[in-house]
Amino acid sequence: EVQLVESGEGLVQPGSSMKLSCVASGFTFSNYGMNWIRQAPKKGLEWIALIYYDSSSKYYADSVKGRFTISRDNSKNTLYLEMNSLRSEDTAMYYCAKRDFDYWGQGVMVTVSS
Amino acid sequence: EIVLTQSPTTMAASPGEKVTITCRASSSVSYMHWFQQKSGTSPKPWIYDTSKLASGVPDRFSGSGSGTSYSLTISSMEAEDAATYYCLQRTSYPPTFGGGTKLELK
Repeated sequence: EVQLVESGEGLVQPGSSMKLSCVASGFTFSNYGMNWIRQAPKKGLEWIALIYYDSSSKYYADSVKGRFTISRDNSKNTLYLEMNSLRSEDTAMYYCAKRDFDYWGQGVMVTVSS
Repeated sequence: EIVLTQSPTTMAASPGEKVTITCRASSSVSYMHWFQQKSGTSPKPWIYDTSKLASGVPDRFSGSGSGTSYSLTISSMEAEDAATYYCLQRTSYPPTFGGGTKLELK
């Protein structure tokens, strides 16, 4: 059974940093690209980052480019999202999802507030 | 970036009623994908590659369309179908989602 389990949720102040993790199981993680998607409270879904299976390419939404970094450790079946210079508008539920969006994690809440 | 516009944004349907949700793309896409999301849960893949039902999705659901116009149809509304539905295109990067259609039970 495919499982994606995010961790790292919390409340942080504007301007600070935070790192999310997503542990994958039930499939060959190293064969698949992975995405991060977020959803602000009461809002729709926003794709924010993609990493290729071998980390050779990374893509970002304009809203997070230069502030967020997607990475992965295939030896640990883990996907990461490092978030810097956080803003109030980054407050959202963050989901990891497999390349084709066919499997999603349960999500973690990130709140940016003073 | 391809913009996806869903309509309606909200709607209510009675049990047994036929429901159609539309997703229009600003440029042509090869396929459309749909997700169902209920409050407090992550989105569930619902229809993929325009018309293929994800595992466990009742066959009262169907998807159709091509080019810039796609739709999700429920042949006969049931209470469990009340949810928010999102379309997704991943034909071109960045992947983009529609704004969502909230479907309520009347």
